[in-house]
Amino acid sequence: EDKVVQSPLSLVVHEGDTVTLNCSYEVTNFRSLLWYKQEKKAPTFLFMLTSSGIEKKSGRLSSILDKKELFSILNITATQTGDSAVYLCAVNRVGGSEKLVFGKGTKLTVNP
Amino acid sequence: NAGVMQNPRHLVRRRGQEARLRCSPMKGHSHVYWYRQLPEEGLKFMVYLQKENIIDESGMPKERFSAEFPKEGPSILRIQQVVRGDSAAYFCASSPTYSAGDGYTFGSGTRLTVV
Repeated sequence: EDKVVQSPLSLVVHEGDTVTLNCSYEVTNFRSLLWYKQEKKAPTFLFMLTSSGIEKKSGRLSSILDKKELFSILNITATQTGDSAVYLCAVNRVGGSEKLVFGKGTKLTVNP
Repeated sequence: NAGVMQNPRHLVRRRGQEARLRCSPMKGHSHVYWYRQLPEEGLKFMVYLQKENIIDESGMPKERFSAEFPKEGPSILRIQQVVRGDSAAYFCASSPTYSAGDGYTFGSGTRLTVV
């Protein structure tokens, strides 16, 4: 069965800190790994990663995938209180229809 | 573009009642996905539908749960004879075509509470 494990489950930091969120996975016929940000409502898409070693970047957020070691990290630099959210990691497999397998998420709290 | 609309936002049902959750996909989107999020858990896939067709229902419980996406109107997730364990947030997502997740747009969810 496909599995996604995120760590830590929760994290509290101060504004300006840099954080690294981890996601490891086990999936047959891996196709892609995705990161979402979930505030109180709908998850919003951040990144999709399909190739090892290629960093995706959007402002202060960046992510990279290691397909050999089966993990991904999400980095947030110079954190702001608006970064407080649950960050979800999900994987998708070839031939697995459209469904995503999600981890439990990392709850990030950024204090002023 | 109103995005993916789910209603109601909150639904309270007594044990044994039926719950109907609605999802109107984004305009032009013909693919709908339902996920359930239990407290302290990640989202779990339930069902993937295209207009008038169920493509993958491998995540749906075998009993009491059903889903449809008719030619006209929203997608409906129906839970019959609800039990306390059905209490969760139910999210719908839509995409215009085949999507590996980057094309998903999620709705804000329906929070079901069974009392």
